[in-house]
Amino acid sequence: AQSVTQPDIHITVSEGASLELRCNYSYGATPYLFWYVQSPGQGLQLLLKYFSGDTLVQGIKGFEAEFKRSQSSFNLRKPSVHWSDAAEYFCAVHTGTASKLTFGTGTRLQVTL
Amino acid sequence: GAVVSQHPSWVICKSGTSVKIECRSLDFQATTMFWYRQFPKQSLMLMATSNEGSKATYEQGVEKDKFLINHASLTLSTLTVTSAHPEDSSFYICSTVSGKETQYFGPGTRLLVL
Repeated sequence: AQSVTQPDIHITVSEGASLELRCNYSYGATPYLFWYVQSPGQGLQLLLKYFSGDTLVQGIKGFEAEFKRSQSSFNLRKPSVHWSDAAEYFCAVHTGTASKLTFGTGTRLQVTL
Repeated sequence: GAVVSQHPSWVICKSGTSVKIECRSLDFQATTMFWYRQFPKQSLMLMATSNEGSKATYEQGVEKDKFLINHASLTLSTLTVTSAHPEDSSFYICSTVSGKETQYFGPGTRLLVL
């Protein structure tokens, strides 16, 4: 069965510093991969997605992610973090069955000024 | 992306009562919607897949008689929590599928059962 692992439960970075959130997946075929962000008490907003093609994908709010098949990873990056980026970030993989998503446990990002 | 709304955004009810949560797809017709619940500081747990014009498909361990789902139109799915108890208190989020297998989420409904 497919699974998604986000090894870091909580990350703290200074405003202006770079950010990398890790995501590893387990899936038999080439997956569809997603990153979502959730602010407190809110729903999830799609940051970016990977289906095929260029392994470096650009998203909204200056985020990007790189698909690495050899490492089964889809890490999210941002070169310079803003205080407003503080939120919960979820990596997800499309299971291929009825459009269902499997989510990671999430990484809470804290930004210090 | 697709725009999804939920109503109400929060609700408080007494134990034993039923609560209905609406999920609307505002800018396209959604044949499939999903319902999730999320406990504090946890990830989303898929409860069921709502299919327009047919019965919902529930995930293992989710009581279909307790969480009634109706998807009567292409823009509206409802989740009714029947005979709610304090352990049903949670954050309920719906989503729709648009385009190429991409889910777009509503803002969520916080339910507190007293």
